[in-house]
Amino acid sequence: EPEVTQTPSHQVTQMGQEVILRCVPISNHLYFYWYRQILGQKVEFLVSFYNNEISEKSEIFDDQFSVERPDGSNFTLKIRSTKLEDSAMYFCASSEAGAYTIYFGEGSWLTVV
Amino acid sequence: AQSVTQLGSHVSVSEGALVLLRCNYSSSVPPYLFWYVQYPNQGLQLLLKYTSAATLVKGINGFEAEFKKSETSFHLTKPSAHMSDAAEYFCAVSERNAGNMLTFGGGTRLMVKP
Repeated sequence: EPEVTQTPSHQVTQMGQEVILRCVPISNHLYFYWYRQILGQKVEFLVSFYNNEISEKSEIFDDQFSVERPDGSNFTLKIRSTKLEDSAMYFCASSEAGAYTIYFGEGSWLTVV
Repeated sequence: AQSVTQLGSHVSVSEGALVLLRCNYSSSVPPYLFWYVQYPNQGLQLLLKYTSAATLVKGINGFEAEFKKSETSFHLTKPSAHMSDAAEYFCAVSERNAGNMLTFGGGTRLMVKP
């Protein structure tokens, strides 16, 4: 069964450092997403991406964050200057065009120290 | 704006007992509703979804959920719990004009006692 894959599964980084989280969405999907879950809190929407541009973003997704589809298979989330409060599980997800079912990866656990 | 409330952050049942996980939603337009399950150290797996067809939806692993518009609810049930059902369960809502943006509830951790 096709699945969304994410790397790394865990990353520890120093505060102020840049982090790139990588995702390979399901191959025939056209919508891509990032969500995050801070420990003990709800899963929160960050951003959606379609046709090489951001289609929706939440208030959380400020100038510190950026997304990119650098090639035909990868989808990345960059956090420019990490803060302690960026520590969370980051989920990549994808969906087909015109479909409302979103499929999630296993997550990348980011710890900022 | 859409929102989801899951009553009970922790639910404990005995193996073989009925599982009932509650979810109430708020949406200004007809919603799409989802249940996802997260097993320990794994990602979010789609359990089932309601997208305006039958109000009683069957999912994987014997789970089902019923959309009740009058009660704004989408409770998840399973007649007989199994030890392998122990996991965290998330209810989520998507408004049909919101570009597939999911709003999640706080999650319910299901524990199954032998």
